[in-house]
Amino acid sequence: SQQGEEDPQALSIQEGENATMNCSYKTSINNLQWYRQNSGRGLVHLILIRSNEREKHSGRLRVTLDTSKKSSSLLITASRAADTASYFCATDNAGNNRKLIWGLGTSLAVNP
Amino acid sequence: DTAVSQTPKYLVTQMGNDKSIKCEQNLGHDTMYWYKQDSKKFLKIMFSYNNKELIINETVPNRFSPKSPDKAHLNLHINSLELGDSAVYFCASSPLGTSKNIQYFGAGTRLSVL
Repeated sequence: SQQGEEDPQALSIQEGENATMNCSYKTSINNLQWYRQNSGRGLVHLILIRSNEREKHSGRLRVTLDTSKKSSSLLITASRAADTASYFCATDNAGNNRKLIWGLGTSLAVNP
Repeated sequence: DTAVSQTPKYLVTQMGNDKSIKCEQNLGHDTMYWYKQDSKKFLKIMFSYNNKELIINETVPNRFSPKSPDKAHLNLHINSLELGDSAVYFCASSPLGTSKNIQYFGAGTRLSVL
């Protein structure tokens, strides 16, 4: 099955720094979503960007989408220890049966 | 008020046993999913139901059987459990009638097969 890919696989930064995660995908999409998973918990939706959008903001989150390169990035500004989690991208592909294609995730550690 | 709830949260059992995991959502969503997440956090879709109708059935051993008594419930029954079934199983739901397909996840059921 097709899988998106995130990089880096793991990222460790200090509080206050910015964290950037990237996601690449393979097919045409309707939208791309980012989710967060805290340790031992379920995934939580963070932000969605449609295929005709290039940038989206939500609080300290900034998402970009480059459909020509089939890639997206998630930027978390002024990171906090509470941002420590795994982050997944997921694409909603054109013509799909409501199936999201998930990336492998980036594990982010924000050190106090 | 838990939106998507799964029970049990932890399940420890012996190889060869049969077990069920239950999922309920109170969001009024039409579509429900079961995912398996392995130790490397790889998230794999297993099944999806839309208004009690199976719409996604990935390559999953037929020991796994989903059952949806109504659109608010999607249970997962596993027969003859094997060591490789050990993982975290997540239930999720999403609303129909929107192009966004944002999914809402339960807290997961950690299954350990000994």
